[in-house]
Formats: sequence, C-alpha cells, structure tokens
Amino acid sequence: QSVLTQPPSASGTPGQRVTISCSGSSSNIGSNYVYWYQQLPGTAPKLLIYWNDQRPSGVPDRFSGSKSGTSASLAISGLRSEDEADYYCASWDDSLSGPVFGGGTSLTVL
Amino acid sequence: EVQLVDSGGGLVQPGGSLRLSCAASGFPFSSYWMSWVRQAPGKGLEWVAHIKKDGSEKDYVDSVKGRFTISRDNAKKSLYLQMNSLRAEDTAVYYCARDSYRVQRAARPDYDYWGQGTLVTVSS
Repeated sequence: QSVLTQPPSASGTPGQRVTISCSGSSSNIGSNYVYWYQQLPGTAPKLLIYWNDQRPSGVPDRFSGSKSGTSASLAISGLRSEDEADYYCASWDDSLSGPVFGGGTSLTVL
Repeated sequence: EVQLVDSGGGLVQPGGSLRLSCAASGFPFSSYWMSWVRQAPGKGLEWVAHIKKDGSEKDYVDSVKGRFTISRDNAKKSLYLQMNSLRAEDTAVYYCARDSYRVQRAARPDYDYWGQGTLVTVSS
C-alpha cells in the first residue's frame, strides 16, 4: 500500500504516446514537487523528471511530466522498445516528514 | 565520472546485524546529502534514510527508526548503513543514492546518481 497510487501496468505500441498517472494527496503531491524515475530490468533507478516537469540533461524530450492538484502524470511520446521499464513517481510527504514513492507502473511496448 | 559502489549485503538471520557500505568517487562527496533506498523483491522503491553533507542531520523511515543508523566518513568518501535487529521484512536490495545539488528539505527525493545495489536477505 504505497502512499502514491499508480496503475500497476501500462502498454503501447512503438511510436504511440502513453501516459502514466500518479495520485496523491494534499500532504504530498498537492504541496510538493513530483519526481519520476525509470528502472530498466535488473538495473538501478534513473531520474527522469524533477520539479514536476523538468528533465535532467540527457533525458530525451519524449519524456514529459505534469502536475495538477494532487495528481501528476508522466507522458512518453514516440514510444520505443527501450522504454520498456518500471516507472515510479515520488514526492515529499509533509505528514510523514519523508520522501514517498508510488508502487510503480510496468510499461510494456507491444 | 561519478560512481557509487554498494557492498556488504548477504544472508543474515532474524535479529542479526549487517553493515552496508557505499564507496563514492568522481565528485566532492562532502558537498552532497546522501541517502539509502531499498526495494523488496518484486516490489517498489522505499526511502530508508538520508544524511546531511557533514553528518549533522539524519532521518529515517519510521519502520527502521531505532534499528538502523546511517553514517558517513567524508575523508574516506564512504556512506554506511548499520542495520540491527533485522526482520524478514527488511529483505531487499539496498541502493545508496546521491541527493542532487538541487535538494532542499521538502524538495525530495531528487537522486541523480545511484549505486548498483546490494541484496540483504533476512531468513533463518
């Protein structure tokens, strides 16, 4: 039971645009930044999005983040086979006084 | 090149202890907050603890408070996690992670580099 709620799975075909949602509350997403991480099979996570919608250098502009109220989304356009991975949203939770993660979304490229 | 190398994992009995290490290189270690994040088998990510640049501030997830201790040795460019009174639910891959230069109290978790992880298995 993660503090942030994500769909367990998502899928799309190459070239398609997919969106992964992340739902929280006023104590986390509603009042703090959202971060997104990509975890390829068997590897450590990698930062994809920080401060809701900012990309670190080296992250393709096919990846974009947005936030509205207590929810956030990660969009991946021009889907590629190498995008097949687990995606995690994260934020700070004021009530817990610590970082919290979503349960993760496993993305399959069909 | 920034590198974080995790070590120290292994099999330990319930109630036992283990000390994880993270060797850092390629950046001014003493200028960054550092964190431990874990991932139980087949599960999601969970923040465990973080420590300020000079070690003067530390914080932990509630489930490990009183059992785990995070520390650092800036001269050795190393991060540690002392884990005592281990439970089956502590079984996970433990990653050390560098908090980015952007990090502020509530502007987290912003990890720009991660170690490869070390597996801790708590079982009799």
